[in-house]
Amino acid sequence: EVHLLEFGGGLVQPGGSLRLSCAASGFTFSSYAMSWVRQAPGKGLEWVSSIHSGGGTTYNADSVKGRFTISRDNSKNILYLQMNSLRAEDTAVYYCAKLAGYNSGYGMDVWGQGTTVTVSS
Amino acid sequence: QPVLTQSSSASASLGSSVKLTCTLSSVHSSYIIAWHQQQPGKAPRYLMKLEGSGSYNKGSGVPDRFSGSSSGADRYLTISNLQSEDEADYYCETWDSNTWVFGGGTMLTVL
Repeated sequence: EVHLLEFGGGLVQPGGSLRLSCAASGFTFSSYAMSWVRQAPGKGLEWVSSIHSGGGTTYNADSVKGRFTISRDNSKNILYLQMNSLRAEDTAVYYCAKLAGYNSGYGMDVWGQGTTVTVSS
Repeated sequence: QPVLTQSSSASASLGSSVKLTCTLSSVHSSYIIAWHQQQPGKAPRYLMKLEGSGSYNKGSGVPDRFSGSSSGADRYLTISNLQSEDEADYYCETWDSNTWVFGGGTMLTVL
């Protein structure tokens, strides 16, 4: 069974950093592109970042460009999101999602259960 | 980049059918979309991929009650024989060469 498990969320002060991880199982992780999507309290889904299967190409939403970095370790089947210079508006549940193919030409077809990030002093 | 427009809310009676709409921006009217369901307090769940031709492919375990169709820039999700567990937020998603976009979501109430 395909499974994604996020961890690393928590409470962080504005300007701080946090690294999220997503452990994948049940599929050939290295063959699929992956994404991070977030959902602020009471709001809709917002795409954050995506990465090709090999890790060499990444994409970021304008709202996080220059602050967030997506990466992956295909030897460990783990996806990461390094979040720096965090702001109150980054407060959200962060979901890891598998894309249906190896690059940016695909949508999301599996979701993790999410991890909560709260940015507050 | 593409824009997806959804009605904010919809309602239908238990056992009836409902058709939710997701409209693509006109220049992106041929794009493929995906439908996702988010039940209250839960993570999103992938329902199906839907092409402009109306052809769709559902995710594993998605009931037969869920189907998709298309007309021009409009993409539809039809749920037949509504059940209480279908009460949820429904999001459409599409993607371009370097960006992914979600519609604002439709909150479905089962009466």
